[in-house]
Amino acid sequence: EAGVAQSPRYKIIEKRQSVAFWCNPISGHATLYWYQQILGQGPKLLIQFQNNGVVDDSQLPKDRFSAERLKGVDSTLKIQPAKLEDSAVYLCASSQWGNSGNTIYFGEGSWLTVV
Amino acid sequence: GNSVTQMEGPVTLSEEAFLTINCTYTATGYPSLFWYVQYPGEGLQLLLKATKADDKGSNKGFEATYRKETTSFHLEKGSVQVSDSAVYFCALSDRGNQGGKLIFGQGTELSVKP
Repeated sequence: EAGVAQSPRYKIIEKRQSVAFWCNPISGHATLYWYQQILGQGPKLLIQFQNNGVVDDSQLPKDRFSAERLKGVDSTLKIQPAKLEDSAVYLCASSQWGNSGNTIYFGEGSWLTVV
Repeated sequence: GNSVTQMEGPVTLSEEAFLTINCTYTATGYPSLFWYVQYPGEGLQLLLKATKADDKGSNKGFEATYRKETTSFHLEKGSVQVSDSAVYFCALSDRGNQGGKLIFGQGTELSVKP
């Protein structure tokens, strides 16, 4: 079974530029998550989708971050304009059903450096 | 709100030593508890989980028991190997939250020397 796919793996941009990350979840997984992991910290949830609807985006900095999941499959996370503090690993994850007992599977992450 | 606290790292052990990484949590209701591992340059991998009190999760020689009375989920392994060197994250998922999102601790780096 293919895992969660993310791209690009690495990106370096200047502050105030924009960047987009793409995620393809495991086939059949209705729930998709984007996490931000700053170096030395645990991942923090940015946004959670159930199919193509947003379940939780309470920690998404909406003035600069946006995410969409058209057709309830692939998802894109965009940052515009980027700030230095956005340097982090952006992890996409998916699960079969959004309840606490089901396993959440993570992709390898997209590493962003803002200079 | 819900939170997870882990012992600070880095933890440095010799090969075949006994490992304990402490994890305590604060949560309303009855969360599920998880340990994830992150090897250098890789994403998070589920190591083990427990979904109710007194459950023991185990995998690859690692174990953790869900202790409701002490709100803990400590990770243990009897004999670590160099290949166990990684960052370990304790996490919870609130059963009452239909979204099932994970809340992570800050991570504990483990370094095993030959």
